[in-house]
Amino acid sequence: DADVTQTPRNRITKTGKRIMLECSQTKGHDRMYWYRQDPGLGLRLIYYSFDVKDINKGEISDGYSVSRQAQAKFSLSLESAIPNQTALYFCATSYSPGGNQFFGPGTRLTVL
Amino acid sequence: DAKTTQPPSMDCAEGRAANLPCNHSTISGNEYVYWYRQIHSQGPQYIIHGLKNNETNEMASLIITEDRKSSTLILPHATLRDTAVYYCIVRFPLGTDSWGKLQFGAGTQVVVTP
Repeated sequence: DADVTQTPRNRITKTGKRIMLECSQTKGHDRMYWYRQDPGLGLRLIYYSFDVKDINKGEISDGYSVSRQAQAKFSLSLESAIPNQTALYFCATSYSPGGNQFFGPGTRLTVL
Repeated sequence: DAKTTQPPSMDCAEGRAANLPCNHSTISGNEYVYWYRQIHSQGPQYIIHGLKNNETNEMASLIITEDRKSSTLILPHATLRDTAVYYCIVRFPLGTDSWGKLQFGAGTQVVVTP
């Protein structure tokens, strides 16, 4: 869905480097989410934000941090990347807590 | 929170109906059943959701048993583009701290063959 964009789409980095993944949306949704997906597994929630001043940890927040710069932007940071953070990362948005979530195209991150 | 059980994989012939089962025996009265699908490495896509009644939209139909312990997603005329992983998710109920979160399982890999 072009309304939710993620940059970069692919990234290869080395252990110990700081990485930022960015998510932007034009849907006007208040709620934004970051998930990671490992091969053969479903998505796991890292962080979520219900508005600009609200940040919440998900299931697997250790090693990650987020920033909600504006309603439309939600960034995920890996302060010191490690190989087991190699995964596919998805950003999602929703209009309300019970609303459907709309996902971005994903960022494939490889940590060597 | 209710968990779901789905078969890991299933095949379907193009043009035929695909019936995807999901068990959610611990579902509570105010929890909705959602279905999403994920075409290879793309972002998941919403399909349909329901609470008690059967639901239908342009993509699929959702049949929920009377006791709500299981449901079936029906793709009426499967096409090759329906090949994807299908996730059955029970959304955390309204009023809880987890309201709004989706908990994905491993899903069912559906392969539609010519």
